[in-house]
Amino acid sequence: DGGITQSPKYLFRKEGQNVTLSCEQNLNHDAMYWYRQDPGQGLRLIYYSQIVNDFQKGDIAEGYSVSREKKESFPLTVTSAQKNPTAFYLCASSLQGSYNSPLHFGNGTRLTVT
Amino acid sequence: DQQVKQNSPSLSVQEGRISILNCDYTNSMFDYFLWYKKYPAEGPTFLISISSIKDKNEDGRFTVFLNKSAKHLSLHIVPSQPGDSAVYFCAAKAGGTSYGKLTFGQGTILTVHP
Repeated sequence: DGGITQSPKYLFRKEGQNVTLSCEQNLNHDAMYWYRQDPGQGLRLIYYSQIVNDFQKGDIAEGYSVSREKKESFPLTVTSAQKNPTAFYLCASSLQGSYNSPLHFGNGTRLTVT
Repeated sequence: DQQVKQNSPSLSVQEGRISILNCDYTNSMFDYFLWYKKYPAEGPTFLISISSIKDKNEDGRFTVFLNKSAKHLSLHIVPSQPGDSAVYFCAAKAGGTSYGKLTFGQGTILTVHP
């Protein structure tokens, strides 16, 4: 079955520590994205990548970093510079060649920083 | 600045009746609109979309209406079923932007009672 796998489902970290969230897809999609969801708010775009070895900042990139060394993988690092890291993080992918191709989302990682 | 707004945080309907979820937007550059459905602890799944050149799109029990002059769209679910109980997000994309750069509303929690 093709899909997007995010791991782990729940993650706990102490304040001041960097943490990396995993995202793997086997849909053969070129484009991948990271969104963040907070209670009472819509999803907000953190970073996106349209091809390997290239990525762009989204609307709330401060305090985050990403890499795209392989087509299948798009890990997100939440650094200690991110002021409010506790949130639900969603990874998504889409076909690059189709303008209106909908996003396919993983099941998310809930990060709690204390 | 919330460019996509879902002003009703929640909606409760009886099974078999119509559910109407509303969404307003402010950015005139949006030319493609989508609805996603999300269950707890899962990622959103694509439901239905509409291009700005149309005013209606149907897919089974789901119909999306777009009123460009009012910058308003709505999702109709007829008949509503208990399995439709979820959070519904509307999202919009501006022309010329990257495929997955969506702006999401805050979501509406739909509860369908048996």
